Amino acid sequence: GAVVSQHPSWVICKSGTSVKIECRSLDFQATTMFWYRQFPKQSLMLMATSNEGSKATYEQGVEKDKFLINHASLTLSTLTVTSAHPEDSSFYICSALRGGPSSNQPQHFGDGTRLSIL
Amino acid sequence: GQQLNQSPQSMFIQEGEDVSMNCTSSSIFNTWLWYKQDPGEGPVLLIALYKAGELTSNGRLTAQFGITRKDSFLNISASIPSDVGIYFCAGGRRNEKLTFGTGTRLTIIP
Repeated sequence: GAVVSQHPSWVICKSGTSVKIECRSLDFQATTMFWYRQFPKQSLMLMATSNEGSKATYEQGVEKDKFLINHASLTLSTLTVTSAHPEDSSFYICSALRGGPSSNQPQHFGDGTRLSIL
Repeated sequence: GQQLNQSPQSMFIQEGEDVSMNCTSSSIFNTWLWYKQDPGEGPVLLIALYKAGELTSNGRLTAQFGITRKDSFLNISASIPSDVGIYFCAGGRRNEKLTFGTGTRLTIIP
């Protein structure tokens, strides 16, 4: 159990393009999902917390107009990188939390999306 | 944001050796988690710990939740080539985001 699917796994696109990444919990409902960014040889950096049916909570320094998050259902959250530029190139990983933010359940991660902006 | 102190930062071992890594924090956590990340993939949960003093095994892996709730360790016995990767600890509290360790990169020397 606890399978999280992330799509696409790899994106290469031109500067100025907007890119949408999907995160799905396949076998459980997730009222809370998380979006992380990871630079080479570094740990995961939380970008935002995605809450089903409400606005996402962004970490300090993360531009909410740049990284649009939508959590329209209990099994799907999307991250849209708007007008992407080369500095947005990174590895983006989502995770889903079974049972909501007050549960003691661990986060389960997707396989990540490698975004390369030319 | 805050990160947990995880050591060692990297390890170079021979196949068959045992591995030990740990994570320490200046504040307490209610949950300690250990994840493994392979290159180009997301972290995979190895062990979840929920009680101070808890010792939990998953095959050749054993992890313990420190009695002070400020630390945790992970041991891998009789390492094999597929153990190569980056291991992350993470501390959790209810209604709060996870705090991750800086990672331990495990390399097995042929």
